[in-house]
Amino acid sequence: QTVVTQEPSFSVSPGGTVTLTCGLNSGPVSTSYFPSWYQQKPGQAPRTLIYRTNTRSSGVPDRFSGSILGNKAALTITGAQADDEADYYCVLYLSSVILIGGGTKLTVL
Amino acid sequence: QVRLQESGPGLVKPSQTLSLTCTVSGDSISSDGYYWSWIRQPPGKGLEWIGYMYYSGSTYYNPSLKSRVTISVDTSKNQFSLKLSSVTAADTAVYYCARYYYGSRNFYNYFQHWGQGTLVTVSS
Repeated sequence: QTVVTQEPSFSVSPGGTVTLTCGLNSGPVSTSYFPSWYQQKPGQAPRTLIYRTNTRSSGVPDRFSGSILGNKAALTITGAQADDEADYYCVLYLSSVILIGGGTKLTVL
Repeated sequence: QVRLQESGPGLVKPSQTLSLTCTVSGDSISSDGYYWSWIRQPPGKGLEWIGYMYYSGSTYYNPSLKSRVTISVDTSKNQFSLKLSSVTAADTAVYYCARYYYGSRNFYNYFQHWGQGTLVTVSS
């Protein structure tokens, strides 16, 4: 069974930089999996941040960026703000099937 | 502006069928390049993809739910629906509908728009 792996939790100081990663237990993540990233705050629907590896969705601040780092997709937040405290989910596309990671709970303190 | 709104019973009895509808406004459900999707989130847990459907009929389901799931599209009402049979307490979740942009000449493959979600509780 193919599983998308994410760090369960991460902590960053206000103004700091954090990189969340998204891996596959079956091998490396590449752009052909069209990695996308979503932010979810308590009681809210997910919000689309990044698609097609590194394209920011409309209205997303440029402190959010996506990339491939080594064998994983990555979401980097540069200059983290208190408002960035949320759950972050990675989504991959594999031959018409969608895989969603378990999410990373980001704390800003 | 595309908007999606889930509707349906908030309480379903065990062994029965969960039925939800998503009403799309701001664009036609027959627009090229989009898959109409369902995702769920059990309380306190992560997101789980249920499946999606193209307006012309192609459907793809999460293999772990495939035997119990049916997604359908009603182009005349600009709606799509989810049916999940033989539900148990493990199916209690917030259910989201979403528009997945596959793309046409170029591929994008991401959830572009989300509904606000609706909580469905399975309990007798």
